[in-house]
Amino acid sequence: QKEVEQNSGPLSVPEGAIASLNCTYSDRVSQSFFWYRQYSGKSPELIMSIYSNGDKEDGRFTAQLNKASQYVSLLIRDSQPSDSATYLCAFLDTGGFKTIFGAGTRLFVKA
Amino acid sequence: KAGVTQTPRYLIKTRGQQVTLSCSPISGHRSVSWYQQTPGQGLQFLFEYFSETQRNKGNFPGRFSGRQFSNSRSEMNVSTLELGDSALYLCASSPQTGDEQFFGPGTRLTVL
Repeated sequence: QKEVEQNSGPLSVPEGAIASLNCTYSDRVSQSFFWYRQYSGKSPELIMSIYSNGDKEDGRFTAQLNKASQYVSLLIRDSQPSDSATYLCAFLDTGGFKTIFGAGTRLFVKA
Repeated sequence: KAGVTQTPRYLIKTRGQQVTLSCSPISGHRSVSWYQQTPGQGLQFLFEYFSETQRNKGNFPGRFSGRQFSNSRSEMNVSTLELGDSALYLCASSPQTGDEQFFGPGTRLTVL
């Protein structure tokens, strides 16, 4: 069964620091990877998608993909208390054509 | 552009009853996926519809069913509710299957 592994956390970082969130995935042929943020009691919201090896930057967020290692990460620079949430990693299962989500990493940014 | 909407937002049912949840996707999105989210299991894929056809189904019992209408709106139905069906049910839409998904606010179902 294809799956995503994420450290459940909580990951605690001080305000202004870089938060690093990581996940590994089991689908060797997947081409599409996603990061979602979910605040407590809310639904997931898309932060970023990444399809090619390397880095993709959007504001304070940088996604990194390494297909050979089946590894994707999300860096949050200048972390703010408002970044405190659960971050979900996901990939497209091309065999079943469905998106598979990890259980999420809880991030706390301390003011 | 309006986001994904789900109704109702909250539901309380008793065991054995059935429930229907509704989802209206973002205008122009033809793919609608449904997920169940519980604290212990995370986001679990229920099924995906595209152009009124169910293209994928997750590992849920037959009590869970769905459909999609010609305007891309989707409904899911759960029959013979069990206590374990208490969860947040999320709908997500995308232009095509496999594209970035955008989630609705969810329907929180409580089964007593």
